[in-house]
Amino acid sequence: DVKVTQSSRYLVKRTGEKVFLECVQDMDHENMFWYRQDPGLGLRLIYFSYDVKMKEKGDIPEGYSVSREKKERFSLILESASTNQTSMYLCASSSGTAGFYGYTFGSGTRLTVV
Amino acid sequence: AQKITQTQPGMFVQEKEAVTLDCTYDTSDPSYGLFWYKQPSSGEMIFLIYQGSYDQQNATEGRYSLNFQKARKSANLVISASQLGDSAMYFCAMREGFGDDKIIFGKGTRLHILP
Repeated sequence: DVKVTQSSRYLVKRTGEKVFLECVQDMDHENMFWYRQDPGLGLRLIYFSYDVKMKEKGDIPEGYSVSREKKERFSLILESASTNQTSMYLCASSSGTAGFYGYTFGSGTRLTVV
Repeated sequence: AQKITQTQPGMFVQEKEAVTLDCTYDTSDPSYGLFWYKQPSSGEMIFLIYQGSYDQQNATEGRYSLNFQKARKSANLVISASQLGDSAMYFCAMREGFGDDKIIFGKGTRLHILP
């Protein structure tokens, strides 16, 4: 069964900490995405990547960075966590044909910044 | 401006009734795709159905169908014979063009199925 795995289901971090959210996919997908999900706001795209070492800003990149050193791994980095980054973070991947099959999503990481 | 609009934040429906979840979209690209996803309380996003802008027929997948009205830019999800397990958050989403795989999501509708 194809999978997107997010390393943590729940995470609690302190304000000002550097936070790494890891996402690994085993489908050899070229494209990977990070979204955050907040009540009443739906899913908003933070960053995405179409290839190793490539990254593109989404709609809300401020306060975040990403790293993609290997095809299967896409990391979201909060350089200095703030309370307004408390959210559910969803990673997704696609093969370049998401236009017909949609994304495969991970199960999400619920991050709380205190 | 919002590209995907879901006007129903929440809905309550009796079990076994049909459900229509509304979605309107905004794009000037002639090539686009529309999706519906389901998110149960466990949090995973489940792909339900896809409709391409050039598809002549409405998409169907089991109990799910997409009522595609191109002129109205409407892509409502219809669930026939609702079940308790259909209680979840539902997201409408759109991909514009075929140049990339970026998908834009609506704010979602929370569906409650009543026994």
